[in-house]
Amino acid sequence: DSGVTQTPKHLITATGQRVTLRCSPRSGDLSVYWYQQSLDQGLQFLIQYYNGEERAKGNILERFSAQQFPDLHSELNLSSLELGDSALYFCASSVGGSLNIQYFGAGTRLSVL
Amino acid sequence: GESVGLHLPTLSVQEGDNSIINCAYSNSASDYFIWYKQESGKGPQFIIDIRSNMDKRQGQRVTVLLNKTVKHLSLQIAATQPGDSAVYFCAEKAAGNKLTFGGGTRVLVKP
Repeated sequence: DSGVTQTPKHLITATGQRVTLRCSPRSGDLSVYWYQQSLDQGLQFLIQYYNGEERAKGNILERFSAQQFPDLHSELNLSSLELGDSALYFCASSVGGSLNIQYFGAGTRLSVL
Repeated sequence: GESVGLHLPTLSVQEGDNSIINCAYSNSASDYFIWYKQESGKGPQFIIDIRSNMDKRQGQRVTVLLNKTVKHLSLQIAATQPGDSAVYFCAEKAAGNKLTFGGGTRVLVKP
Protein backbone atom coordinates (compact mmCIF):
# COMPACT_ATOMS: atom_id res chain seq x y z
CA ASP A 1 0.00 0.00 0.00
CA SER A 2 1.53 3.30 -1.16
CA GLY A 3 -0.44 5.45 1.24
CA VAL A 4 -2.07 7.38 -1.59
CA THR A 5 -5.84 6.94 -1.69
CA GLN A 6 -7.95 7.46 -4.78
CA THR A 7 -11.72 7.36 -5.05
CA PRO A 8 -13.73 6.06 -6.71
CA LYS A 9 -12.01 2.94 -8.06
CA HIS A 10 -14.36 2.73 -11.01
CA LEU A 11 -16.54 5.29 -12.70
CA ILE A 12 -18.93 4.72 -15.58
CA THR A 13 -20.55 7.70 -17.20
CA ALA A 14 -21.88 8.99 -20.50
CA THR A 15 -20.45 11.36 -23.06
CA GLY A 16 -20.97 15.02 -22.23
CA GLN A 17 -21.03 14.40 -18.49
CA ARG A 18 -18.76 15.76 -15.78
CA VAL A 19 -16.95 13.73 -13.12
CA THR A 20 -14.69 14.43 -10.16
CA LEU A 21 -11.86 12.17 -9.12
CA ARG A 22 -10.45 12.46 -5.63
CA CYS A 23 -6.97 11.88 -4.23
CA SER A 24 -5.60 11.90 -0.70
CA PRO A 25 -1.80 12.04 -0.65
CA ARG A 26 0.50 10.22 1.73
CA SER A 27 0.69 11.79 5.14
CA GLY A 28 3.25 14.59 5.04
CA ASP A 29 3.43 14.84 1.25
CA LEU A 30 2.88 18.33 -0.12
CA SER A 31 2.87 17.57 -3.84
CA VAL A 32 0.13 15.85 -5.77
CA TYR A 33 0.43 14.78 -9.40
CA TRP A 34 -2.22 13.55 -11.81
CA TYR A 35 -1.55 11.14 -14.66
CA GLN A 36 -3.65 9.57 -17.38
CA GLN A 37 -2.91 6.04 -18.57
CA SER A 38 -4.51 4.76 -21.73
CA LEU A 39 -3.65 1.72 -23.82
CA ASP A 40 -2.25 3.70 -26.72
CA GLN A 41 -0.63 6.58 -24.85
CA GLY A 42 1.03 5.07 -21.81
CA LEU A 43 1.37 7.21 -18.67
CA GLN A 44 0.89 10.88 -19.42
CA PHE A 45 1.54 13.62 -16.89
CA LEU A 46 -1.39 16.01 -16.52
CA ILE A 47 -0.71 18.44 -13.70
CA GLN A 48 1.08 18.94 -10.38
CA TYR A 49 0.10 20.88 -7.28
CA TYR A 50 2.43 21.76 -4.47
CA ASN A 51 0.99 22.94 -1.16
CA GLY A 52 -2.15 24.22 -2.82
CA GLU A 53 -0.55 25.94 -5.79
CA GLU A 54 -0.22 24.71 -9.35
CA ARG A 55 3.45 23.84 -9.91
CA ALA A 56 3.68 22.15 -13.31
CA LYS A 57 1.39 21.44 -16.20
CA GLY A 58 1.56 18.70 -18.79
CA ASN A 59 -0.75 17.72 -21.60
CA ILE A 60 -3.93 18.53 -19.73
CA LEU A 61 -6.98 19.35 -21.82
CA GLU A 62 -8.88 22.57 -21.23
CA ARG A 63 -11.93 20.43 -20.34
CA PHE A 64 -9.94 19.10 -17.38
CA SER A 65 -9.07 21.01 -14.25
CA ALA A 66 -7.66 20.23 -10.85
CA GLN A 67 -7.18 21.79 -7.47
CA GLN A 68 -5.49 21.04 -4.19
CA PHE A 69 -7.28 21.94 -1.00
CA PRO A 70 -5.87 23.23 2.31
CA ASP A 71 -5.91 19.70 3.74
CA LEU A 72 -3.75 18.76 0.71
CA HIS A 73 -6.22 16.40 -0.90
CA SER A 74 -6.75 17.01 -4.58
CA GLU A 75 -9.57 16.69 -7.07
CA LEU A 76 -9.40 16.25 -10.82
CA ASN A 77 -12.48 17.47 -12.67
CA LEU A 78 -13.21 16.12 -16.12
CA SER A 79 -16.00 17.78 -18.08
CA SER A 80 -17.73 17.40 -21.44
CA LEU A 81 -16.49 13.85 -21.44
CA GLU A 82 -15.69 12.09 -24.68
CA LEU A 83 -15.23 8.42 -25.46
CA GLY A 84 -11.49 9.00 -25.75
CA ASP A 85 -11.30 10.13 -22.13
CA SER A 86 -11.81 6.53 -21.02
CA ALA A 87 -8.61 5.63 -19.23
CA LEU A 88 -7.00 4.98 -15.88
CA TYR A 89 -6.33 8.14 -13.92
CA PHE A 90 -3.59 7.98 -11.33
CA CYS A 91 -2.69 10.33 -8.56
CA ALA A 92 0.80 10.37 -7.09
CA SER A 93 2.27 12.29 -4.21
CA SER A 94 5.73 13.26 -3.07
CA VAL A 95 7.25 15.05 -0.12
CA GLY A 96 8.53 18.06 -2.00
CA GLY A 97 8.19 19.66 -5.36
CA SER A 98 11.05 18.20 -7.34
CA LEU A 99 13.50 15.31 -7.50
CA ASN A 100 11.40 13.34 -5.07
CA ILE A 101 10.06 9.84 -5.44
CA GLN A 102 6.43 9.91 -6.51
CA TYR A 103 4.19 7.33 -4.87
CA PHE A 104 1.14 6.30 -6.85
CA GLY A 105 -2.38 5.44 -5.82
CA ALA A 106 -4.31 2.49 -7.22
CA GLY A 107 -6.05 4.64 -9.80
CA THR A 108 -9.57 5.42 -10.94
CA ARG A 109 -10.80 3.60 -14.00
CA LEU A 110 -13.06 5.88 -16.02
CA SER A 111 -15.32 4.42 -18.68
CA VAL A 112 -17.18 6.88 -20.89
CA LEU A 113 -20.00 5.20 -22.81
CA GLY B 1 -7.07 -6.84 -13.81
CA GLU B 2 -6.26 -4.06 -16.17
CA SER B 3 -4.34 -4.67 -19.34
CA VAL B 4 -1.69 -2.00 -19.68
CA GLY B 5 -0.43 -1.60 -23.19
CA LEU B 6 -1.57 -4.55 -25.28
CA HIS B 7 1.39 -4.18 -27.60
CA LEU B 8 4.22 -3.74 -25.13
CA PRO B 9 7.60 -5.34 -25.76
CA THR B 10 7.77 -8.47 -23.68
CA LEU B 11 10.67 -10.09 -21.90
CA SER B 12 10.18 -13.75 -21.03
CA VAL B 13 12.56 -15.01 -18.39
CA GLN B 14 12.97 -18.28 -16.57
CA GLU B 15 12.42 -18.19 -12.83
CA GLY B 16 15.77 -17.83 -11.11
CA ASP B 17 17.49 -16.19 -14.07
CA ASN B 18 18.54 -12.56 -14.16
CA SER B 19 16.45 -10.04 -16.10
CA ILE B 20 17.67 -6.96 -17.88
CA ILE B 21 15.17 -4.33 -18.95
CA ASN B 22 16.39 -1.53 -21.17
CA CYS B 23 15.20 2.01 -21.62
CA ALA B 24 16.35 4.72 -23.98
CA TYR B 25 15.56 8.21 -22.75
CA SER B 26 15.17 11.26 -24.87
CA ASN B 27 16.35 14.33 -23.03
CA SER B 28 20.06 14.83 -22.44
CA ALA B 29 19.16 17.43 -19.80
CA SER B 30 17.32 14.87 -17.65
CA ASP B 31 18.97 14.65 -14.26
CA TYR B 32 16.85 12.12 -12.41
CA PHE B 33 15.55 8.71 -13.40
CA ILE B 34 13.15 6.28 -11.80
CA TRP B 35 12.04 2.73 -12.43
CA TYR B 36 8.49 1.72 -11.62
CA LYS B 37 6.78 -1.65 -11.60
CA GLN B 38 3.10 -1.93 -12.41
CA GLU B 39 1.19 -5.11 -11.66
CA SER B 40 -2.18 -5.76 -13.22
CA GLY B 41 -4.90 -3.66 -11.62
CA LYS B 42 -2.49 -1.60 -9.54
CA GLY B 43 -0.73 1.71 -9.70
CA PRO B 44 2.97 2.05 -10.52
CA GLN B 45 5.19 1.06 -7.62
CA PHE B 46 8.59 2.66 -7.05
CA ILE B 47 11.54 0.30 -7.48
CA ILE B 48 14.72 2.36 -7.59
CA ASP B 49 15.96 5.77 -8.65
CA ILE B 50 19.25 7.27 -9.78
CA ARG B 51 20.54 10.79 -10.22
CA SER B 52 22.55 11.80 -13.26
CA ASN B 53 25.78 12.20 -11.25
CA MET B 54 25.83 8.43 -10.72
CA ASP B 55 26.17 5.57 -13.19
CA LYS B 56 25.09 2.70 -10.98
CA ARG B 57 22.87 2.16 -8.00
CA GLN B 58 21.94 -1.05 -6.25
CA GLY B 59 18.91 -2.02 -4.27
CA GLN B 60 17.56 -5.30 -3.03
CA ARG B 61 17.89 -7.69 -6.01
CA VAL B 62 17.80 -4.73 -8.41
CA THR B 63 20.50 -2.64 -10.02
CA VAL B 64 20.04 0.41 -12.20
CA LEU B 65 22.73 1.41 -14.69
CA LEU B 66 22.85 4.81 -16.34
CA ASN B 67 24.85 5.56 -19.47
CA LYS B 68 24.50 9.24 -20.20
CA THR B 69 26.70 9.07 -23.27
CA VAL B 70 24.13 7.05 -25.15
CA LYS B 71 21.11 8.10 -23.06
CA HIS B 72 20.44 4.58 -21.88
CA LEU B 73 19.06 3.24 -18.64
CA SER B 74 18.77 -0.38 -17.61
CA LEU B 75 17.21 -2.28 -14.74
CA GLN B 76 18.70 -5.59 -13.73
CA ILE B 77 16.69 -7.95 -11.57
CA ALA B 78 18.64 -10.77 -9.97
CA ALA B 79 17.13 -14.22 -9.49
CA THR B 80 13.81 -13.28 -11.07
CA GLN B 81 10.76 -14.55 -9.19
CA PRO B 82 7.13 -15.08 -10.26
CA GLY B 83 6.20 -11.97 -8.29
CA ASP B 84 8.40 -9.94 -10.61
CA SER B 85 5.95 -10.47 -13.47
CA ALA B 86 4.66 -7.00 -14.26
CA VAL B 87 5.08 -4.05 -16.60
CA TYR B 88 8.20 -2.01 -15.91
CA PHE B 89 8.45 1.68 -16.75
CA CYS B 90 11.44 3.96 -16.74
CA ALA B 91 10.82 7.67 -16.20
CA GLU B 92 13.05 10.70 -16.61
CA LYS B 93 12.87 14.15 -15.13
CA ALA B 94 14.39 17.22 -16.74
CA ALA B 95 13.82 20.82 -15.71
CA GLY B 96 10.70 21.29 -13.67
CA ASN B 97 8.83 18.50 -12.00
CA LYS B 98 7.34 16.58 -14.87
CA LEU B 99 8.13 12.88 -15.08
CA THR B 100 8.19 11.55 -18.62
CA PHE B 101 7.49 7.85 -18.76
CA GLY B 102 8.74 5.36 -21.30
CA GLY B 103 6.33 2.99 -23.01
CA GLY B 104 6.97 0.09 -20.65
CA THR B 105 8.25 -3.48 -20.92
CA ARG B 106 6.22 -6.48 -19.88
CA VAL B 107 8.17 -9.11 -17.94
CA LEU B 108 6.79 -12.64 -17.88
CA VAL B 109 8.44 -15.07 -15.50
CA LYS B 110 8.20 -18.70 -16.52
CA PRO B 111 8.20 -21.30 -13.76
